[in-house]
Amino acid sequence: AQKVTQAQTEISVVEKEDVTLDCVYETRDTTYYLFWYKQPPSGELVFLIRRNSFDEQNEISGRYSWNFQKSTSSFNFTITASQVVDSAVYFCALGDAGGTSYGKLTFGQGTILTVHP
Amino acid sequence: DGGITQSPKYLFRKEGQNVTLSCEQNLNHDAMYWYRQDPGQGLRLIYYSQIVNDFQKGDIAEGYSVSREKKESFPLTVTSAQKNPTAFYLCASSRGRGSGTDTQYFGPGTRLTVL
Repeated sequence: AQKVTQAQTEISVVEKEDVTLDCVYETRDTTYYLFWYKQPPSGELVFLIRRNSFDEQNEISGRYSWNFQKSTSSFNFTITASQVVDSAVYFCALGDAGGTSYGKLTFGQGTILTVHP
Repeated sequence: DGGITQSPKYLFRKEGQNVTLSCEQNLNHDAMYWYRQDPGQGLRLIYYSQIVNDFQKGDIAEGYSVSREKKESFPLTVTSAQKNPTAFYLCASSRGRGSGTDTQYFGPGTRLTVL
């Protein structure tokens, strides 16, 4: 069975601090995909990144960066110089690449990030 | 603008009533999904559809029903058999035929409250 664990339920930081959101996953598949989504107070989930299991290169997009380590089954997300607008719930998700579970994303419980001015 | 629309944004239901949540997409995506989100929890899959006139149960399908008569529409009916329907409901779509490799894009959600 697939599982995603986001151990940090809530994180509170002051603006301009760096913050890392942890994501650990479990799967028996050799091919899989990992995602991060942001859910602002409005409720809509906003797609941030998709990474396949064969690509372990870290990725940077502006103030966002992602560290994928297959050896530890982790896909952590760092926000550099956080801003108040980064306040949201962040979800990590795992998608399989086939089999009988087409379309299924397994979500973590989410991490509530609050950035104080 | 391409995207996913859900209506209504807020919905109130009396116990024993069926209600239908609307989800429409103009992204020309084949696959569509319904998720339920409860406070402090992640999303759980209710139903998904890979193609018109076909749909599959997700993890928590009991008390729900769906239809997929058109590619762009995937309405969800919350029936009176659903014991605890108060939740936030999110619709999503993806380009391919529902593979886990595809990125799912989400609508703004419908908040359902049972009075």
